[in-house]
Amino acid sequence: QVQVVESGGGVVQPGRSQRLSCVVSGFSLNSYAMHWVRQAPGKGLEWVAAISFDGDIQYYADSVRGRFTISRDTSKNRLFLQMTSLTVEDTAVYFCARVGTTRNLLPRYGMDVWGQGAAVTVSS
Amino acid sequence: DIQMTQSPSSVSASVGDGVTVTCRASQSISNWLVWYQQKPGNPPKLLIFAASTLQGGVPSRFNGSGSGTDFTLTISSLQPEDVATYFCQQAYTFPVTFGGGTKVEI
Repeated sequence: QVQVVESGGGVVQPGRSQRLSCVVSGFSLNSYAMHWVRQAPGKGLEWVAAISFDGDIQYYADSVRGRFTISRDTSKNRLFLQMTSLTVEDTAVYFCARVGTTRNLLPRYGMDVWGQGAAVTVSS
Repeated sequence: DIQMTQSPSSVSASVGDGVTVTCRASQSISNWLVWYQQKPGNPPKLLIFAASTLQGGVPSRFNGSGSGTDFTLTISSLQPEDVATYFCQQAYTFPVTFGGGTKVEI
């Protein structure tokens, strides 16, 4: 069964760090690019970061560049989002999502597999 | 960055009515436009990609059209299970950007 499951959310103080994890099953990270998308409470979707199928290319939203790092461990079928210098504006549910076609980094055929999300609350 | 503007922000219609949601890009994105449906408490669900291609399993009452900067999502006969928020997303270039969403109610 093709699925992704996020973990690692929680409450974190401003300025601190948090690492999110996304375990994938039913497909290989060596074949698909992956994205992180977040949604602040009651708000819309905001794209955060992407990593290519071979792990060589990463893209970031301006709002997180220099603070967040997307990475993966293909041996463990895991995608990560390392978040540092967190602010209250980073409070959101973070979704990992698979690009709908193999090898493409841009989701031109959509993101077809989404997890339920990991909630991150940045608060003192 | 390419800005995606959706309208209306919300719409209320009766069961069986047609509903139209529009999405405008701040510059041409060819046909690299994706639509998602999100129900409360759930992740987004892929509906349509490449502006007009239905994802497998999506009911045929959903239709997407447009190219360049102007796009439309139409629900031909609104059903109770279509109550959700709909988002457009451009996949022409990075950064990927989403529209603000359209809440569809009955």
